[in-house]
Amino acid sequence: GAGVSQSPSNKVTEKGKDVELRCDPISGHTALYWYRQSLGQGLEFLIYFQGNSAPDKSGLPSDRFSAERTGGSVSTLTIQRTQQEDSAVYLCASNPTGTAYNEQFFGPGTRLTVL
Amino acid sequence: QKEVEQNSGPLSVPEGAIASLNCTYSDRGSQSFFWYRQYSGKSPELIMSIYSNGDKEDGRFTAQLNKASQYVSLLIRDSQPSDSATYLCAVNPGNTPLVFGKGTRLSVIA
Repeated sequence: GAGVSQSPSNKVTEKGKDVELRCDPISGHTALYWYRQSLGQGLEFLIYFQGNSAPDKSGLPSDRFSAERTGGSVSTLTIQRTQQEDSAVYLCASNPTGTAYNEQFFGPGTRLTVL
Repeated sequence: QKEVEQNSGPLSVPEGAIASLNCTYSDRGSQSFFWYRQYSGKSPELIMSIYSNGDKEDGRFTAQLNKASQYVSLLIRDSQPSDSATYLCAVNPGNTPLVFGKGTRLSVIA
């Protein structure tokens, strides 16, 4: 079946512009996660959606970052007034139930470059 | 703070040898454990999950879990150059997002 998809695959923007990154999780997966991976670094958790519950926003690095998930499916991560330090690969993952067994499946990522 | 520690490597092994990758975690209440493989420029790919103490084998891969020692390992038998990648250890401390280690870079030399 179809895996997690993300768009765009690459995004180049100028400092100060806003960007929107999209994630389509695997159909039926109730949990959705956003991570960020800077060059040569580990995965940095950003935000987590589980069903209709309030999202866990504890990983968002600043108030310039926000995300929403419409209809329990597609999610959009928005970065306002982008800065050069926002340059990274943004990864989305989904999980069937969000419970302890939590096998997460990743999309291909969006590579963001802020000039 | 929940932490997952891995040796960053690079770990170099000759083709055909056993590669041993190790991971320790800080939260004793962690419930499930995962190994992801990440090729350069690609996203992480789930290769093993383990939930109870002992060994779990899948093809050339064996995951080992010791909850008393808070230790997880991944063994790759008959290592191939195509196994060269970064291996990420991930731990689920509870009903919360996974905590990932920074990864160990494995290089299999032909």
